[in-house]
Amino acid sequence: GAVVSQHPSWVICKSGTSVKIECRSLDFQATTMFWYRQFPKQSLMLMATSNEGSKATYEQGVEKDKFLINHASLTLSTLTVTSAHPEDSSFYICSAALAGTPGETQYFGPGTRLLVL
Amino acid sequence: DAKTTQPTSMDCAEGRAANLPCNHSTISGNEYVYWYRQIHSQGPQYIIHGLKNNETNEMASLIITEDRKSSTLILPHATLRDTAVYYCIVRVPGGSQGNLIFGKGTKLSVKP
Repeated sequence: GAVVSQHPSWVICKSGTSVKIECRSLDFQATTMFWYRQFPKQSLMLMATSNEGSKATYEQGVEKDKFLINHASLTLSTLTVTSAHPEDSSFYICSAALAGTPGETQYFGPGTRLLVL
Repeated sequence: DAKTTQPTSMDCAEGRAANLPCNHSTISGNEYVYWYRQIHSQGPQYIIHGLKNNETNEMASLIITEDRKSSTLILPHATLRDTAVYYCIVRVPGGSQGNLIFGKGTKLSVKP
């Protein structure tokens, strides 16, 4: 149980285009979903937290107009990287919190590798 | 900033127990200890968590000291597939304080 999927698993795009990444909790309803970014040889950095039906909360230094987050339902959140540039190339990972459980454990998706040319 | 201290790397022989330490001397009373691992090029995998009692599941055991200032994750019979970076994280569930802050973790290498 507690499976989180991401789509696509990898994407290559041209500079200036927008890319949408989907995150789904497959077998549970998630009150909160999180988006992380990981650059090579570095640890995960939290980008934003989103709750279903409300605006996302972004971490300091993350541009909300560039990284659009839509949390449409308790099982789906999307991250859109707008006007992507090569420096946005990274490994993007989502997680979903399992509500109502002790500790509200977060379960992670497999990640999406983005390469902007 | 991460509130935990872990060794940068550890080796373990296949079939042996892997004991991964974590120091969290500033942990507060309502913070849980979580362990995740990340195998190369994959998303982190939840392993186990605890508040003050020792915990065991099908993957691992978590031993928390009585003063809660440190803990040890035990993989009882390590396999090559357990090679990964292991993260020890303390957090208060829920709300903004509940965000997972990843440090550098311990890179565990299981060798045949």
